[in-house]
Amino acid sequence: SQTIHQWPATLVQPVGSPLSLECTVEGTSNPNLYWYRQAAGRGLQLLFYSVGIGQISSEVPQNLSASRPQDRQFILSSKKLLLSDSGFYLCAWSSSGGPGDEQFFGPGTRLTVL
Amino acid sequence: QKEVEQDPGPLSVPEGAIVSLNCTYSNSAFQYFMWYRQYSRKGPELLMYTYSSGNKEDGRFTAQVDKSSKYISLFIRDSQPSDSATYLCAMSFPYYGNNRLAFGKGNQVVVIP
Repeated sequence: SQTIHQWPATLVQPVGSPLSLECTVEGTSNPNLYWYRQAAGRGLQLLFYSVGIGQISSEVPQNLSASRPQDRQFILSSKKLLLSDSGFYLCAWSSSGGPGDEQFFGPGTRLTVL
Repeated sequence: QKEVEQDPGPLSVPEGAIVSLNCTYSNSAFQYFMWYRQYSRKGPELLMYTYSSGNKEDGRFTAQVDKSSKYISLFIRDSQPSDSATYLCAMSFPYYGNNRLAFGKGNQVVVIP
């Protein structure tokens, strides 16, 4: 069966510090991978998605970047965190790019920027 | 107008009651409809998935889609305290070979024992 891992689970960082969140998927090959941010009362916002190694699409201009160095690894980064980067970050995967494919979410990372 | 509208609630019901949740949408291109359940401080988990108008049942859960009215619903029968969670609707349509999901804001449900 497929599983998706995210770490760390919780992170508190000062403004201006760097960020690296990691997501890995097991039990599937060549998944589509997604990074979302969930802010209180604002629903899920798609940040990045990737259809393959080194292929990243950004949905919104922002302070964050994403990379996919391996087939089942997806990394969310920032060089300098802003207060507005606080939120709950979720990684998700789907089996392909088909419009009917379900997305499955990881456990999330709660980031607080102080 | 947002693509997907979902009244965030919260909704409190006594144990055993029927929970009724709904979302409306504006884009008639949406073809696939999902409900996710999200417990506090956890990632969303897929609860129901459907792509046609009508009803789909899975145990105590029923998902209903009305494409003509652009309206989807989730019903939970015989609600249990363990059903207390936030429920998010989501929908997608073909978009350059990728499945882009549009989410509602989520509906917080509390089932009181």
